[in-house]
Amino acid sequence: EDKVVQSPLSLVVHEGDTVTLNCSYEVTNFRSLLWYKQEKKAPTFLFMLTSSGIEKKSGRLSSILDKKELFSILNITATQTGDSAIYLCAVTTRDDKIIFGKGTRLHILP
Amino acid sequence: GAVVSQHPSWVICKSGTSVKIECRSLDFQATTMFWYRQFPKQSLMLMATSNEGSKATYEQGVEKDKFLINHASLTLSTLTVTSAHPEDSSFYICSDSLRTGRNYGYTFGSGTRLTVV
Repeated sequence: EDKVVQSPLSLVVHEGDTVTLNCSYEVTNFRSLLWYKQEKKAPTFLFMLTSSGIEKKSGRLSSILDKKELFSILNITATQTGDSAIYLCAVTTRDDKIIFGKGTRLHILP
Repeated sequence: GAVVSQHPSWVICKSGTSVKIECRSLDFQATTMFWYRQFPKQSLMLMATSNEGSKATYEQGVEKDKFLINHASLTLSTLTVTSAHPEDSSFYICSDSLRTGRNYGYTFGSGTRLTVV
């Protein structure tokens, strides 16, 4: 059965800290791994990763994929209160399925 | 990037009635769209894959007679929750599907919060 496991499920840190969110997966016919940020409504896209070892970066956020060990991490440096959200990891397959992890609920304390 | 419009944003209905949720792709033709459901503090769960011009494909455990999906055109997919009950209260979201050559992920609609009273 295809599955995506995120850890930790929740995390509370102080503003300015750096956080690392984890996503491991077991799927057949892997195509890509996606990271989303969800605040009050629908998720917003962060990164799509298809190749191992190539870091994707956007401002204070970065992510990397390891297709051998079947995991990805999402790093957020110098966190701000606006980073408080649920971060969702999803994996897509070549037959166009998408499987979401349960998410990591991140709370940044001022 | 792609734009997906979902309507309504929220709806309250009486138990036993039906509710239709629309999902439109505004700047591209979507032969495939996905419908998800999200309970409070839980992740998105894929309900079904909506295919233009053919029957939807439902995930295991999703009642196809209760959650009717219609994808009559390349820009519109609809989800109708029939004979809604309070346990159907949830957040419903649609998305487009990943298309070859695009360098960003699925685009989600803004979601519909359904409350059945």
